[in-house]
Amino acid sequence: AQRVTQPEKLLSVFKGAPVELKCNYSYSGSPELFWYVQYSRQRLQLLLRHISRESIKGFTADLNKGETSFHLKKPFAQEEDSAMYYCALSGLSGSRLTFGEGTQLTVNP
Amino acid sequence: NAGVMQNPRHLVRRRGQEARLRCSPMKGHSHVYWYRQLPEEGLKFMVYLQKENIIDESGMPKERFSAEFPKEGPSILRIQQVVRGDSAAYFCASSPSAGDEQYFGPGTRLTVT
Repeated sequence: AQRVTQPEKLLSVFKGAPVELKCNYSYSGSPELFWYVQYSRQRLQLLLRHISRESIKGFTADLNKGETSFHLKKPFAQEEDSAMYYCALSGLSGSRLTFGEGTQLTVNP
Repeated sequence: NAGVMQNPRHLVRRRGQEARLRCSPMKGHSHVYWYRQLPEEGLKFMVYLQKENIIDESGMPKERFSAEFPKEGPSILRIQQVVRGDSAAYFCASSPSAGDEQYFGPGTRLTVT
């Protein structure tokens, strides 16, 4: 069974501080991991996926298969990063996404 | 490209009525996915369709729920005899092929009174 856990429902940091949004997963095979973001009053959009190894808007995420984690990190948070962040997993079929419950990030001025 | 369209954005139904939710995928996308988000929860997969075919419906409740994606027109998620527990946000996503990035619509918020 596929499962994604985001232990923090809410996370609050100050502008300029580092931020890490935690994501752990369980999957028996080799999953593909994603981070999706939903800004206020906007639709859900892909932030990054582990296979692309890109840094988007200063965010990075490394897949740690030993710890089954895919934490999202940014060294210096900005106020515009305030949003809901969802970690998601896709299995062998490459189709259905399994989402975590999301973390609401607030970056305070 | 207008992106994934969903309508209506808000739908209110009384218990026992039928709800029809529509999803028009992005141009050139033939794969559609439906997800449901209950209050205070993450998105849960419901069904994955290609044109005229249901590929994976493992997340669909066994009764009252059905989905289609005809050759022409939008994908439809139909909920018969709605109950209060069906109140949720229903999101549709599309992709050009399996494994590609899924693009999400704005969602339909269903309220059952």
